[in-house]
Amino acid sequence: DQQVKQNSPSLSVQEGRISILNCDYTNSMFDYFLWYKKYPAEGPTFLISISSIKDKNEDGRFTVFLNKSAKHLSLHIVPSQPGDSAVYFCAATYNFNKFYFGSGTKLNVKP
Amino acid sequence: DSGVTQTPKHLITATGQRVTLRCSPRSGDLSVYWYQQSLDQGLQFLIQYYNGEERAKGNILERFSAQQFPDLHSELNLSSLELGDSALYFCASSPGVSNQPQHFGDGTRLSIL
Repeated sequence: DQQVKQNSPSLSVQEGRISILNCDYTNSMFDYFLWYKKYPAEGPTFLISISSIKDKNEDGRFTVFLNKSAKHLSLHIVPSQPGDSAVYFCAATYNFNKFYFGSGTKLNVKP
Repeated sequence: DSGVTQTPKHLITATGQRVTLRCSPRSGDLSVYWYQQSLDQGLQFLIQYYNGEERAKGNILERFSAQQFPDLHSELNLSSLELGDSALYFCASSPGVSNQPQHFGDGTRLSIL
């Protein structure tokens, strides 16, 4: 059962513009959400997270938005840089037991 | 460098065999997580250990088992291997079991011939 879905396998954005990566989930029990970035031949790297009691969390160029009623979260990268080109995974958990990951979105930032 | 070490990096074996994947967590981290990533798919949570005890179990097959040792390193044992077990296996660690993010190793690529 795919409880976390990333429906866009890839996204291409021009350098300097905004990148918006989307993620949907089905389990209303999830209380914490995370985004990871993954370069080839490396493990995922933690990027940013958000608790279900918030609707926005910001860290530099990265902002995560959570819409609980729609069971939807998004990651905004502004401005996008070529070094941001990677695969981005969203993940969700409840009570920090099991973690559920989406299938990833490959972001390509063009110079 | 995440501080999480996984060995070996690559493993090639045949169907029916048994392999052991090893993970050394970051210094001070008590929690260890194992994930499987099959081709073009997301990470599937397998199992979590905290300070030597199993804490949560995901979609881990009965042919797979894991343990965390007193020195906190962990091993994932895969037996009676099938072609479909070919995947990247990631280990991650975190200090505890709260909202501290997990730090991932670079994975072990398992190929079953």
